[in-house]
Amino acid sequence: DAGVIQSPRHEVTEMGQEVTLRCKPISGHDYLFWYRQTMMRGLELLIYFNNNVPIDDSGMPEDRFSAKMPNASFSTLKIQPSEPRDSAVYFCASSQGTGGRTGEQYFGPGTRLTVT
Amino acid sequence: KQEVTQIPAALSVPEGENLVLNCSFTDSAIYNLQWFRQDPGKGLTSLLLIQSSQREQTSGRLNASLDKSSGRSTLYIAASQPGDSATYLCAVRPGSGGSEKLVFGKGTKLTVNP
Repeated sequence: DAGVIQSPRHEVTEMGQEVTLRCKPISGHDYLFWYRQTMMRGLELLIYFNNNVPIDDSGMPEDRFSAKMPNASFSTLKIQPSEPRDSAVYFCASSQGTGGRTGEQYFGPGTRLTVT
Repeated sequence: KQEVTQIPAALSVPEGENLVLNCSFTDSAIYNLQWFRQDPGKGLTSLLLIQSSQREQTSGRLNASLDKSSGRSTLYIAASQPGDSATYLCAVRPGSGGSEKLVFGKGTKLTVNP
């Protein structure tokens, strides 16, 4: 398997623009996670899905952020409108969950977002 | 609320040295604990996962221990090499396994000098 795939790897945009980040999880994994990493706050969970259904979105910072998972092989994280404080590295991860297994999460390479 | 702390934030050692990275968590009710490695500009790579019922896990030169009652875990790296230079992150899964959420520490940046 190619692992978790994220696109784009880098995104530079101006304040107020819409940004869409994309993720393809590992085939067979039924959990998908979106994280944000900054120097100040470290790595924070934004939202996670199980079988394409959002389970916990308590980490989504505000209404400007939205995430969807239309099918088992694709998810998007959208920021509209973007602000400079959204600048961070956004990671997607996937797992098979616990339920008798370890629940080990596998991370993608991340998208570095810069909002000017 | 579960909080994870990693001390020190940065560590520099000469090649060949054995070293210990520390991780502490505030709530002992965890399902498991995972150690990750992050290279600059890259994603996270899982190194070791310890279930709450386990005391330690080993993989090659790495050994991770877990003391749930005291809220501590250590990652021991034997005979360090320059290729071990990276940021090491500790993450706990709170509770009894009902949630898949991980809570991360901010990491320890390790530099191994040749």
